Amino acid sequence: EAGVTQFPSHSVIEKGQTVTLRCDPISGHDNLYWYRRVMGKEIKFLLHFVKESKQDESGMPNNRFLAERTGGTYSTLKVQPAELEDSGVYFCASSNRVAGGGYTFGSGTRLTVV
Amino acid sequence: QKEVEQNSGPLSVPEGAIASLNCTYSDRVSQSFFWYRQYSGKSPELIMSIYSNGDKEDGRFTAQLNKASQYVSLLIRDSQPSDSATYLCAVNSPPSFGAGTTVTVRA
Repeated sequence: EAGVTQFPSHSVIEKGQTVTLRCDPISGHDNLYWYRRVMGKEIKFLLHFVKESKQDESGMPNNRFLAERTGGTYSTLKVQPAELEDSGVYFCASSNRVAGGGYTFGSGTRLTVV
Repeated sequence: QKEVEQNSGPLSVPEGAIASLNCTYSDRVSQSFFWYRQYSGKSPELIMSIYSNGDKEDGRFTAQLNKASQYVSLLIRDSQPSDSATYLCAVNSPPSFGAGTTVTVRA
């Protein structure tokens, strides 16, 4: 079984530019989550998709962040325009259950905004 | 108050010793508790989940949960150099994470 795949693994962009991160969950996993870890801080929840619907987006920091999951398969997270404080590692996770664990994480995308 | 707090590291233990990791959480109605291991530059990997008060053992790992004290711990027995990693405590579904404790096992 292929794991959760994230692309790109690293991205360096200038302040004000746009970046799009992609996550391919494990096939058949309806639940997809985005998390972010900024330097020295804990991994923070951003949002949760169930299939193509946003179940919980309470962790999205502001309207510069837009997540989509058209068709309920892969998801994208766009940051536009990027700010310095957006730098960090963005993790995606998927699960075939809503509760009780079973979360598999991708290797993350390290975003650096300069 | 942070939602999930872990004992500050880093934690250095000799090979063969017991590594003890602690975690407290603020949400009294939490029902799901997890320990993840993260090697440098890699994704978090689930190593233990616990849902009921008491101990849960899996190989060299033991998770302990005390809901009254809002406390969950992880013991690593017979620590090996390959256990050197950051250990993340997570609570609830979807999980809320602590900042992690970095463990180094000295050969």
